[in-house]
Amino acid sequence: AQSVTQLDSQVPVFEEAPVELRCNYSSSVSVYLFWYVQYPNQGLQLLLKYLSGSTLVKGINGFEAEFNKSQTSFHLRKPSVHISDTAEYFCAVSDGAGNNRKLIWGLGTSLAVNP
Amino acid sequence: DGGITQSPKYLFRKEGQNVTLSCEQNLNHDAMYWYRQDPGQGLRLIYYSQIVNDFQKGDIAEGYSVSREKKESFPLTVTSAQKNPTAFYLCASSRQGVGYTFGSGTRLTVV
Repeated sequence: AQSVTQLDSQVPVFEEAPVELRCNYSSSVSVYLFWYVQYPNQGLQLLLKYLSGSTLVKGINGFEAEFNKSQTSFHLRKPSVHISDTAEYFCAVSDGAGNNRKLIWGLGTSLAVNP
Repeated sequence: DGGITQSPKYLFRKEGQNVTLSCEQNLNHDAMYWYRQDPGQGLRLIYYSQIVNDFQKGDIAEGYSVSREKKESFPLTVTSAQKNPTAFYLCASSRQGVGYTFGSGTRLTVV
């Protein structure tokens, strides 16, 4: 069965510094990969997704992620963070095929951007 | 604009009561999901439905029930059998699992 590991539960960083949030998944023949962001007391919002094609995916709010099939990773990066990026970030992998696809979730990484 | 609406945003339940959380979507998505979120535990799947009049248990279905009588609606009932219902509940929908759209959540508190 598919599984997702977010390697850091908390990441503190100073404003305007670069950040990388790490995500690894177990091997699968066909995967779709996602990053979501959750602000306090809100639902999750899609940051970016990899379905096929270019392994470098650009998303909203200046975030990007790179799909690395050989290392089964999908790390999220931003070159310069803002205070407003403070939130919980979730990595997810789509398991199954066709109408039976479901998302398998990591436990989340809490990003804290300090002034 | 299309989206998912969860209501109410905050809900209080007395011990022994059943409560129902509403989830409505106008995205024409076939699949809908209910998740429970507790601090440090990520998202745990309660129930999901791939099509009208059909649904499956997720990882933590005990103490919960759902129905899917209409494509747009997937209400969740938290029954008195759920021993620790205080949590943040999230509803989502998708078309063929290609990314989910989430509602804004319902925070349930037992008083």
